[in-house]
Amino acid sequence: DIQMTQSPSTLSASVRDRVTITCRASQSISSWLAWYQQKPGKAPKLLIYKASSLESGVPSRFSGSGSGTEFTLTISSLQPDDFATYYCQHYNSYPWTFGQGTKVEIK
Amino acid sequence: QVQLQESGPGLVKPAETLSLTCTVSGGSIGGYYWSWIRQPPGKGLEWIGYVDYIGSTNYNPSLNSRLRISVDRSKNQFSLKLSSVTAADTAVYYCAREGTTSGWLHYFDSWGQGTLVTVSS
Repeated sequence: DIQMTQSPSTLSASVRDRVTITCRASQSISSWLAWYQQKPGKAPKLLIYKASSLESGVPSRFSGSGSGTEFTLTISSLQPDDFATYYCQHYNSYPWTFGQGTKVEIK
Repeated sequence: QVQLQESGPGLVKPAETLSLTCTVSGGSIGGYYWSWIRQPPGKGLEWIGYVDYIGSTNYNPSLNSRLRISVDRSKNQFSLKLSSVTAADTAVYYCAREGTTSGWLHYFDSWGQGTLVTVSS
């Protein structure tokens, strides 16, 4: 299985901060990567697919980049609604696996 | 806008079979992959497997021997059966749409709200 490792595990930030989360794959996954946001008690929500494509309806302050084994999710100006846990997921080869999550907390 | 809703028992005894159904509304089940994903309390996400609209499946090898996912096109539903459960199978189980069968789109763009299944005697 391809292992997905996110860093940091927890991130403390303030409103309007620029936030970057990293996801590393144990082997190359080309651009077959998605990012999700999950709030407590809720299902994950798709933000980004194919590493950098923004899902319809997702605010443009979210962006994704990377290819191969290293990827980033950037929130350009953190908003109160963005405090949540973020997961990456690869879909290069079976089985799909997720990163362990990055919790974005209020500083 | 497609909506998904999980249903099934919230409590299953050890060694028994966990059974859940996902009802899809607001869209056809045809042309897509339909997945199950689980999340143990306080932990991360694990892809369980998918079924497509003609019944073809792909399972996570870690669960393959205990798993069956099926589709009922007449009811716009798909189902999960996980046998010989243990406490390690306690989790919130989500159903999700995985993407169309016409491309490499294996991300999850629509999710159910999730249902907690506890394995305990």
